[in-house]
Amino acid sequence: GENVEQHPSTLSVQEGDSAVIKCTYSDSASNYFPWYKQELGKRPQLIIDIRSNVGEKKDQRIAVTLNKTAKHFSLHITETQPEDSAVYFCAVCVTGGFKTIFGAGTRLFVKA
Amino acid sequence: KAGVTQTPRYLIKTRGQQVTLSCSPISGHRSVSWYQQTPGQGLQFLFEYFSETQRNKGNFPGRFSGRQFSNSRSEMNVSTLELGDSALYLCASSFRDSDNSPLHFGNGTRLTVT
Repeated sequence: GENVEQHPSTLSVQEGDSAVIKCTYSDSASNYFPWYKQELGKRPQLIIDIRSNVGEKKDQRIAVTLNKTAKHFSLHITETQPEDSAVYFCAVCVTGGFKTIFGAGTRLFVKA
Repeated sequence: KAGVTQTPRYLIKTRGQQVTLSCSPISGHRSVSWYQQTPGQGLQFLFEYFSETQRNKGNFPGRFSGRQFSNSRSEMNVSTLELGDSALYLCASSFRDSDNSPLHFGNGTRLTVT
């Protein structure tokens, strides 16, 4: 079945630095790749998503890149702020699969 | 528009008992998915419903079951509870198919099995 690997599991950066989280997937039919942010004690919330016909998408300080050939995608956060501290989950979907498969999560610490 | 509502927020049960969790999706959302979240296993897919039909099921034992009603509200049931069932159970709804559009999560039900 579909498998998603996410690295690193923990990431600590200084405020203002960039953070990069990487995910790889196994099913070449995957075509929707959302990213969710979960703050401590709160629900996961979508922060950005990308579809297989797009290589890169940006929303202010957040960007996602997708390499379909290599089957990996990455989340880039620039100019990190303390409020970016949270757990980030990548996810993969296959249209018609009727499920979202999540990576194990990356705990991001942004030090002020 | 009200978000996804899950009840109850907390549950404490004893091994061997059964439990029913409830989820009301965002108005207009017809797809409801359930996930189990634990510190060691992350977010594990349980099942997905659309128009009262289960369209996919994760790798969980038959003790885990669910259903969806005509108003899109969903319930999940866990029978013969085990200590390992202690987790945060998250429900998520989506406007279109759950595999092609963002999931909107509820706050979850935290189940503790003693």
